[in-house]
Amino acid sequence: AQTIHQWPVAEIKAVGSPLSLGCTIKGKSSPNLYWYWQATGGTLQQLFYSITVGQVESVVQLNLSASRPKDDQFILSTEKLLLSHSGFYLCAWSLVWGPSAETLYFGSGTRLTVL
Amino acid sequence: GQQVQQSPASLVLQEGENAELQCNFSSTATRLQWFYQHPGGRLVSLFYNPSGTKHTGRLTSTTVTNERRGSLHISSSQTTDSGTYFCAIGYRGSALGRLHFGAGTQLIVIP
Repeated sequence: AQTIHQWPVAEIKAVGSPLSLGCTIKGKSSPNLYWYWQATGGTLQQLFYSITVGQVESVVQLNLSASRPKDDQFILSTEKLLLSHSGFYLCAWSLVWGPSAETLYFGSGTRLTVL
Repeated sequence: GQQVQQSPASLVLQEGENAELQCNFSSTATRLQWFYQHPGGRLVSLFYNPSGTKHTGRLTSTTVTNERRGSLHISSSQTTDSGTYFCAIGYRGSALGRLHFGAGTQLIVIP
């Protein structure tokens, strides 16, 4: 069975400090990977997607970057946090092909508070 | 841009009552997915339903693509159904895997 693990579960960081959030997918070879962001009390917005190792596409610019250093790993980071980065970050995956290829499955998320 | 409108914004039910959540979208959708978000934040996929009707337990998803609407019916609600329900739409030409989420319907079921 596929499992998706996000870390850390929660972070409290100072404005201007760096950030690194991680996501690993087990049990699925070469999945499509995504980062989504949810403002507190708000809806979800896609940030990045990746279809293969080393290749990441940006969807929305939020002064964040993403990388896929391994097939099963997706990293979200920034060198300088802003207050507006606070929220809930969700990693997701989908199959590359097949009848359920367009269904997204989400991890448990990381809650980020920037002070 | 693509719009996804959900209604109602919030709903309070007595346990055992039924609920009908609506989702309307602005352009021709290639896919519709319903999610349930636990109060703690975890997002669970309920249905992937680009068209037609699907059932799982007490939940029924109906999508009428040419009318640009979908609905989620919850029958015999339980307190554990409390949380936020999101409708998410995929459009042709959007970035890979990009789902446009509605604002959600917050459901509270009281005993």
